[in-house]
This record gives sequence, C-alpha cells and structure tokens, in this order.
Amino acid sequence: AQSVTQPDIHITVSEGASLELRCNYSYGATPYLFWYVQSPGQGLQLLLKYFSGDTLVQGIKGFEAEFKRSQSSFNLRKPSVHWSDAAEYFCAVGFYSSASKIIFGSGTRLSIRP
Amino acid sequence: GAGVSQTPSNKVTEKGKYVELRCDPISGHTALYWYRQSLGQGPEFLIYFQGTGAADDSGLPNDRFFAVRPEGSVSTLKIQRTERGDSAVYLCASSLYQGSDEQFFGPGTRLTVL
Repeated sequence: AQSVTQPDIHITVSEGASLELRCNYSYGATPYLFWYVQSPGQGLQLLLKYFSGDTLVQGIKGFEAEFKRSQSSFNLRKPSVHWSDAAEYFCAVGFYSSASKIIFGSGTRLSIRP
Repeated sequence: GAGVSQTPSNKVTEKGKYVELRCDPISGHTALYWYRQSLGQGPEFLIYFQGTGAADDSGLPNDRFFAVRPEGSVSTLKIQRTERGDSAVYLCASSLYQGSDEQFFGPGTRLTVL
C-alpha cells in the first residue's frame, strides 16, 4: 500500500542550527513529492515540490529537499533555522496512478530553542 | 488575490445532527479537494472534484459523508447523523488543474461533535 512515513514526531533545534526532517515513502514508481508547513491557526503552505528532473529541489523560506530514489526518501533541510520556522511540517506524496490524491505523513513538529 | 475560503471556521454540533461545511475555491481553479485532519495527524484525503463531478471519492469514510459541487465552483461537504469520531478539522484545497499541480489549502473548518 502507498504510505508516507515521518519517523520524527517532534524535533527541537537551536536557532541558527541546521535542520533535517526525514520522510520516506512507499510506492512502486516515482511519485510526486511535497513538503508542506502548517503554523498554528494557519493553513497548509507548500514549501517545495518534486516532480522530475534535478533531485535537489529548492523551496521557499530557504528550505531544500533531496529526492533519493534508492532510499525512497525526500528529506527536508535548512542550513540555519529561524524562530519563525517553528511549525508542523508534513511530507506528502502524489501518484501518477491517481493523479489527484495526495497522501500525507503524520507530521513532524519543529520547536526552536532560543 | 483571494485564497481558498471555508465557512464556518468553527462548528459545534450534537451527536446525530446534520452539518454542512462550505468551501469557496480560488477563482478559475477547476479541481477541488476535501481532506480531514484529526488531532496530531496529517490530512487525510476524502474526495476530489474535477469540475462538477466527483472524480475520486475513495476517501469518504462511509455513506454519512457526501459532497457536491453543482456549478463547478463552491463545494459543500455534508455529514449526516454526526458522530463524535467525526470531530476534526476539515480542509479544502483547490488547484488550477487536476493531478500534479499545486493544491492551495484553505484555513479549515473545525468540527466538534458533542
């Protein structure tokens, strides 16, 4: 079955430190891949997406993600986090066989230590 | 420009009652999606419309849930005989086209069933 796993429920990093949020998916072909951010009281906002081509994708707010087919992973990174990055982050996967449906992971809550 | 809007923002109802949740997509977007987000979870796909027709309703949990989009714009999610387990945030999203295009999310309707 198609699934998305975010193994870290909650991560705390110091302001200015680097960040990596993990995401693994289960699917038999190359999926569409997304990272969304959800701040308290805010809607989901797309950070970046991967459909094809260069496996290193740049997004908004200084985030990037790398698609690794061999590891079925799409980890999100940021070299230096800011206090405003504290939020819930969701990895999501779309599939060619069901072009409309997106399956979300359970999310990783990011806290920033001053 | 205006984003996806959802009304009401909060809805409290009693077990067994009927509720309607409304979604107004971004103007010109042909695809509309409903998701449900339970506490501590990622959004879960419910149904997707392309134009007026439901192209994929595989995520609707049971026949108490129904959604319409009669004119290809505004959509209403209808829940009959609500149960306490229906309590969640119901998210609506729209995209210009179906499939891989970015989905823009609304702020959600928080439904509480007492």
